[in-house]
Amino acid sequence: DQQVKQNSPSLSVQEGRISILNCDYTNSMFDYFLWYKKYPAEGPTFLISISSIKDKNEDGRFTVFLNKSAKHLSLHIVPSQPGDSAVYFCAASDSNFGNEKLTFGTGTRLTIIP
Amino acid sequence: DAGVIQSPRHEVTEMGQEVTLRCKPISGHDYLFWYRQTMMRGLELLIYFNNNVPIDDSGMPEDRFSAKMPNASFSTLKIQPSEPRDSAVYFCASTQRGVSGTGVTQYFGPGTRLLVL
Repeated sequence: DQQVKQNSPSLSVQEGRISILNCDYTNSMFDYFLWYKKYPAEGPTFLISISSIKDKNEDGRFTVFLNKSAKHLSLHIVPSQPGDSAVYFCAASDSNFGNEKLTFGTGTRLTIIP
Repeated sequence: DAGVIQSPRHEVTEMGQEVTLRCKPISGHDYLFWYRQTMMRGLELLIYFNNNVPIDDSGMPEDRFSAKMPNASFSTLKIQPSEPRDSAVYFCASTQRGVSGTGVTQYFGPGTRLLVL
């Protein structure tokens, strides 16, 4: 049973436009959410995170939005650049002390078209 | 720090052979995770350790898979015997215990690409 779902396997966006990647979760115990970025032949690298006490977190061109009632989060990249082409994984955790386990989605492959 | 180190980076073997994947976590990290990435299931957690002790191995697919962490700086994931369906990229990640109520970030190694013929 997929507790974290990324329903779009792929997304293509024109350079300079906004990229929006979506993620849904089912486990109401999740209270910390992360986005990872993965280039081919490399391991995933941390991009941005958000705690459930917030509904938005921004870091440069990257913004993550959290809608707890809908159990939905999204990653906005603006403006999109060719170097943003990668696979993006959404991940979630129940951050109670001692539980450091992350549950990942299946990933969305983002392609930025020059 | 050099980050999480995994070896080998690529492994090609024949069905039935034993495969051993290795991981060196970031120094000072007390959690170590083994993941498998496939197209169908994305990143699946296989097992994780805290202070060298296995905490959750519910993701280990079969008894053919085993993992050990003999000390804080080394872990192995072994598949014996290997099968073609084990072909995937295997990642190791590490992190350190966070403060209650705050999340933690896991740091991943470059992965081992395994092909079982």
